[in-house]
Amino acid sequence: GAGVSQSPSNKVTEKGKDVELRCDPISGHTALYWYRQSLGQGLEFLIYFQGNSAPDKSGLPSDRFSAERTGGSVSTLTIQRTQQEDSAVYLCASQERDIRLAGDSYEQYFGPGTRLTVT
Amino acid sequence: RKEVEQDPGPFNVPEGATVAFNCTYSNSASQSFFWYRQDCRKEPKLLMSVYSSGNEDGRFTAQLNRASQYISLLIRDSKLSDSATYLCVVTFLGSSASKIIFGSGTRLSIRP
Repeated sequence: GAGVSQSPSNKVTEKGKDVELRCDPISGHTALYWYRQSLGQGLEFLIYFQGNSAPDKSGLPSDRFSAERTGGSVSTLTIQRTQQEDSAVYLCASQERDIRLAGDSYEQYFGPGTRLTVT
Repeated sequence: RKEVEQDPGPFNVPEGATVAFNCTYSNSASQSFFWYRQDCRKEPKLLMSVYSSGNEDGRFTAQLNRASQYISLLIRDSKLSDSATYLCVVTFLGSSASKIIFGSGTRLSIRP
């Protein structure tokens, strides 16, 4: 079946511009995560959506970052007034259900990521 | 101190060797543990879950030591295709929030 898709795959933008990144999770998955990964680094959690619950925004690095998930499916991550330090790969992952309900085993399915370069 | 720590490596071992690496976590309430694999410029993919009693999947063995708060991954008879970054993942379910934390990864390079 279709996996997680993200668009665009690459984005080059000038410092100060706004960018919007899109994630299409696996159909029926209620949990959706955004991470970012700088070159050679681990994954940095940004935000988590679970069903209709209020999202966990605790990982957003500044108020320039925001995300929405419309209709419990597609999600967009918006970065306003981009800075060079925002350059990274932004990864989206979906999961069938909330980790509280997943028991001992669950899997996050990652999209291919959006490589953002701020010049 | 980071909540999840891994030796970044790189571990450079010959094909056929056995290699092991650990991941330590700081929150004793952590409940679920996983190893993900990430190939260069690719997205992470689940390698295996780590169960309390330890578990094996072919050449891969994962173990959990709750007392010392670490998990381990052992790869036997390593193949060139095992070259990747291995990410440790720890989750804990708090009363008001759940967290999933990825380690920074351990780079493994298998040489012919």
